Amino acid sequence: GAGVSQSPSNKVTEKGKDVELRCDPISGHTALYWYRQSLGQGLEFLIYFQGNSAPDKSGLPSDRFSAERTGGSVSTLTIQRTQQEDSAVYLCASRGGRGETQYFGPGTRLLVL
Amino acid sequence: QKEVEQNSGPLSVPEGAIASLNCTYSDRGSQSFFWYRQYSGKSPELIMFIYSNGDKEDGRFTAQLNKASQYVSLLIRDSQPSDSATYLCAPEEDTGRRALTFGSGTRLQVQP
Repeated sequence: GAGVSQSPSNKVTEKGKDVELRCDPISGHTALYWYRQSLGQGLEFLIYFQGNSAPDKSGLPSDRFSAERTGGSVSTLTIQRTQQEDSAVYLCASRGGRGETQYFGPGTRLLVL
Repeated sequence: QKEVEQNSGPLSVPEGAIASLNCTYSDRGSQSFFWYRQYSGKSPELIMFIYSNGDKEDGRFTAQLNKASQYVSLLIRDSQPSDSATYLCAPEEDTGRRALTFGSGTRLQVQP
């Protein structure tokens, strides 16, 4: 079956613009995560969704970041007024299945000029 | 602040040798531990997970866990050049969200 998909794969934007990143989890997976991987750094947790419940936003680095998940499936991560330090790879993961492991999408590589 | 420590490497081993990757973690509440492989420019790919003390084998890979020492390792037998990648250790939080805390990874180079 299809894995986690993300779009766009690459995004170049100018400082101050808003961007939207999309994640389509594995069908049937109820848990969805966003992580960020900055150059030379480890992955850091951003936000967690479980089904239609209110998300855990405790990892979001600033109020310029927001995310939503529609119908318990597709999620969108929005970054408003982008800054150069937002440049990173944004990874989405979904969890489910027998092993309850997280499976990652291919990521969106964001470059803020 | 939960921490995961890995030797950044690079760890260089000859083809056919055993590669040993180590990881220590600070969160005593973690019960499940995951190893991901990440090729340059790609997203993490699950190798295996372990949640019981001791060894768990899957093909050429063996994960070892010692919760008392807060230590987890990954052994790769008969290393191949295609194993050259960064290996990420990721304990799972013992919380409802079960987010992963990642180490910075160990870069493995398998020399042909």
